[in-house]
Amino acid sequence: EVQLVESGGALVQPGGSLRLSCAASGFTFSTYAMSWVRQAPGKGLEWVSDIRASSVTHYADSVNGRFTISRDNSKNTLYLQMSSLRAEDTAVYYCAKDGSFYMDVWGKGTTVTVSS
Amino acid sequence: EIVMTQSPATLSVSPGERVTLSCRASQSVKSNLAWYQQKPGQAPRLLIYRASTGASGIPARFSGSGSGTEFTLTISSLQSEDFAVYYCQQYDNWPLTFGGGTKVEI
Repeated sequence: EVQLVESGGALVQPGGSLRLSCAASGFTFSTYAMSWVRQAPGKGLEWVSDIRASSVTHYADSVNGRFTISRDNSKNTLYLQMSSLRAEDTAVYYCAKDGSFYMDVWGKGTTVTVSS
Repeated sequence: EIVMTQSPATLSVSPGERVTLSCRASQSVKSNLAWYQQKPGQAPRLLIYRASTGASGIPARFSGSGSGTEFTLTISSLQSEDFAVYYCQQYDNWPLTFGGGTKVEI
């Protein structure tokens, strides 16, 4: 069974940093692209970033230069390093497996709250 | 950036009804469109990809159609478990973008 389990969400002050992790199992992690998608409270879905199997990365304009996506294929783990956090980054962050640029499996999410 | 617009924002329906949700892209995305269902407190679930291909395990009452800029998700006979928010997403170009969602409620 394909599983994605996010962790690392927390309450952080504006300007702070945080690293999210997503542990993957049940599929050959290294051969799939992976994405992060977020959802602010009461709002819709917003794609944040993806990393291809080749390690090529893409970012939404809203996080470009502040967030860094990476992967450790030896640990079957996806990461999102977030810095210079803002109140508008408050959201549930989902990790998702890439079907072919769409997201075919999602984790349950981890909550990031940016507040003083 | 390709803007995805869903309509209506909210749809009030009864179980057993046929439901049609719309999604429009600001420019052609060919058939590179997916639909997701999200229930309260849950992660989204993939329903349809490539505009009309059902994802694994999705009931046959869900179907998708369209190409270019106009897309439709149809639920042939709404079941109680189908009350949720539905999102479309284009994957023709980065940044990947979602529509604002359609809430299907009683």
